Amino acid sequence: EAGVAQSPRYKIIEKRQSVAFWCNPISGHATLYWYQQILGQGPKLLIQFQNNGVVDDSQLPKDRFSAERLKGVDSTLKIQPAKLEDSAVYLCASSLTGGMSYEQYFGPGTRLTVT
Amino acid sequence: AQTVTQSQPEMSVQEAETVTLSCTYDTSESDYYLFWYKQPPSRQMILVIRQEAYKQQNATENRFSVNFQKAAKSFSLKISDSQLGDAAMYFCAYRNQGGKLIFGQGTELSVKP
Repeated sequence: EAGVAQSPRYKIIEKRQSVAFWCNPISGHATLYWYQQILGQGPKLLIQFQNNGVVDDSQLPKDRFSAERLKGVDSTLKIQPAKLEDSAVYLCASSLTGGMSYEQYFGPGTRLTVT
Repeated sequence: AQTVTQSQPEMSVQEAETVTLSCTYDTSESDYYLFWYKQPPSRQMILVIRQEAYKQQNATENRFSVNFQKAAKSFSLKISDSQLGDAAMYFCAYRNQGGKLIFGQGTELSVKP
């Protein structure tokens, strides 16, 4: 079974530029998550999708971050414009559904450096 | 709001010895899940062990076991017969009834040969 795929693996941009990350969840997984992990901290949930609908985006900085999950499969996370404090690893995860008993499977992450 | 606290930023253990990583959490929910994840330098999050709150029996996975104290809201991870490959960041995580995962700050474990 293929795992969660993410691209790119690394990205370096200058502040005020825009960037987009892509995630392909495990086939059949209805729930998709984006996490932000700043160096030295645990991951923080940015947004949760159930199929193509948003379940929780309470910690997404909506003035600069946006995310979509068209057709309930792949997802993209965009930052525009980027700030220095956005430097982090962005992790995508998926689960069969959103219930607490279902394991979340994580992708390898995208490491973003904003200079 | 639920919170997870890992009070040990770094831990060190001799190869083949046993080490315990601490985790406490705060919640008003009665049913939830607790997890320990391992994150090597590759940044891939790997599930180590999970505990369902309504189960009193502590979870065990090979060399990994937990000490779950629900009343004290404590969830420690014990690694027996430590191996060099166990060196990584370890995160304690709480999953609430809505399915949201809340992570602690992490403990960096080093294993000395």
